[in-house]
Formats: sequence, structure tokens, C-alpha cells
Amino acid sequence: NAGVTQTPKFQVLKTGQSMTLQCAQDMNHNSMYWYRQDPGMGLRLIYYSASEGTTDKGEVPNGYNVSRLNKREFSLRLESAAPSQTSVYFCASNHRDFNTEAFFGQGTRLTVV
Amino acid sequence: AQSVTQPDIHITVSEGASLELRCNYSYGATPYLFWYVQSPGQGLQLLLKYFSGDTLVQGIKGFEAEFKRSQSSFNLRKPSVHWSDAAEYFCAVSPGGTYKYIFGTGTRLKVLA
Repeated sequence: NAGVTQTPKFQVLKTGQSMTLQCAQDMNHNSMYWYRQDPGMGLRLIYYSASEGTTDKGEVPNGYNVSRLNKREFSLRLESAAPSQTSVYFCASNHRDFNTEAFFGQGTRLTVV
Repeated sequence: AQSVTQPDIHITVSEGASLELRCNYSYGATPYLFWYVQSPGQGLQLLLKYFSGDTLVQGIKGFEAEFKRSQSSFNLRKPSVHWSDAAEYFCAVSPGGTYKYIFGTGTRLKVLA
């Protein structure tokens, strides 16, 4: 019972490099989310996908893009990484129609140098 | 704007003592309310949730929370804290009908032996 799986778990990038964070869920959830967690700031929503085929900006979308590849997968892309994007990134999913809570992955710790 | 306030950044209690973590939210109607716990290096685990009905909700690991509409609060309590409860605790709200979870900045709990 995997739940929400994120890859990679750790990553170091140089400023200007690009990368994609992968997220997959096996709970047949229709909604998926990307958050970043920074000390003293809690979790802030970057992008979300209410259902397959739709994506919307959250609180802090600048510098990121997302793709809802199918119902299971929701990826987050950094086109040109900046030190300000050093953070821990969490993917989450839930099924809004059934009022389920959000289930979280284990996180990706990203450092941009 | 919707917001969640956790006024205590750090709390230290002795093992066996009681615990109350505070959470206040700002939202016009009653949102969905959640408490999550995060152990170091881990993702977020749901402790309990409130959608409607009985305002005192029971969760896992002996935690409970009480929703007080008049105070816009959803405080988390535990009668007797165990050393394994040391972690960071996040209160979150999801305004009904939206897909966004808004998190507080978290309360880090330290337990003294």
C-alpha cells in the first residue's frame, strides 16, 4: 500500500539548472497538490490539480510549472532553479468528492547552490 | 483572506503532562479542519479531522480536538504526553468547496523525560 510516492528524495542543483519532481498516488484520488515547506512558514501551496486535465496556481507558483500526466501522476518542474527554491517539497492527494483528507508523500529535499 | 494561526512556535512539556496546542482560523463559514503531525524527515500524517457534527473529535495516538465556532478555534489536546509525541504539529483548514488546504506555521513540541 504505497500511498503517495515522490522521487527523488534528495537533490542538489546548481543555479539555472532544471529538474522535474515526480509524484504518483495509487489511491484513485482525483485531486493532487504540490506544497513547499520552509522553516517558520508552514506549507504553502504551489499548484494543484482538482481533477485530471486541470491545474491551477496556488499561493506561490512563480518559477514552477506542473503537469497532470494522468490520474495517478502530478509532476512539478523547475525550469531554471534559484537558491530561493531551496526547500522541502511535498506532494499530496485526496478525493474531494468523498471528503477525504489530504495524504502526503515523504517529501523531496531540494538544495539549489 | 483565509488564514490559520498557530500562536505557539515551540512548546515544551514533561512526559505524562497534559498538552494543548492552539489553532485559530479566519474564514467566513465553517471550513474543514485538520491536525497533522510531522516527525523529523518525514511527511505529514493526519491526526484527526472535523467536517461537521460533534465538535469534539477523536484522533489517533490519543489526541482529540474541539471545534469552537464562536472562537474560530480548533485546539488539539492530549491528556498525557509520551516521549514519542515529540514532533511538529500543523493545523490546516480547507474552505468548503475549494481544493486548497491552508496550513498554519506549525508548533514544535519537545517532550522532557
